[in-house]
Amino acid sequence: ETGVTQTPRHLVMGMTNKKSLKCEQHLGHNAMYWYKQSAKKPLELMFVYNFKEQTENNSVPSRFSPECPNSSHLFLHLHTLQPEDSALYLCASSQGVSSGSREQYFGPGTRLTVT
Amino acid sequence: AQSVAQPEDQVNVAEGNPLTVKCTYSVSGNPYLFWYVQYPNRGLQFLLKYITGDNLVKGSYGFEAEFNKSQTSFHLKKPSALVSDSALYFCAVRERQKLVFGTGTRLLVSP
Repeated sequence: ETGVTQTPRHLVMGMTNKKSLKCEQHLGHNAMYWYKQSAKKPLELMFVYNFKEQTENNSVPSRFSPECPNSSHLFLHLHTLQPEDSALYLCASSQGVSSGSREQYFGPGTRLTVT
Repeated sequence: AQSVAQPEDQVNVAEGNPLTVKCTYSVSGNPYLFWYVQYPNRGLQFLLKYITGDNLVKGSYGFEAEFNKSQTSFHLKKPSALVSDSALYFCAVRERQKLVFGTGTRLLVSP
């Protein structure tokens, strides 16, 4: 596998619940990303962190709240989600964001279902 | 804004035959182009990238891609397809800090 782990792999939550997704990378990278993958849509970048600092927020609703305590860990806190938020949430990491040539390494994703 | 297009939702090929998955790009400046593959219930796996240099890029699992500047294309190819190559393939282009992905092409390799 890729050295990027995500937990849980599957999550079902009601619209009033609060839950968190966790991502950990074991590759020594310093940039981490959250993507949303919905059926029939391109992957959507949500957030970018570089050396623990958020460098991009792609107009994501405030019901999604990221947290990056260090370069190896990334969380996505969820609250009062909507059914249309059901998707596969992918975490990725790379060796920095400033160099455009670096590929990103993805985790297996968390399949989220909002009921 | 940078973008890529994958004109085919699905490509069908028989095992042992050559395969091509198409990608065209629209960028300002020199493109950084990538191919990723996604197997069922998995994240995306990096296959190969074009940054500069030789237009024919070789990657993982016997895949290669040809960068064609005049046609603004970056098609993924493999000389002999395997059933295990069946998956979802994404082309992507670098834009500032992020990758911009195409909509994906499902490759089905029949025995």
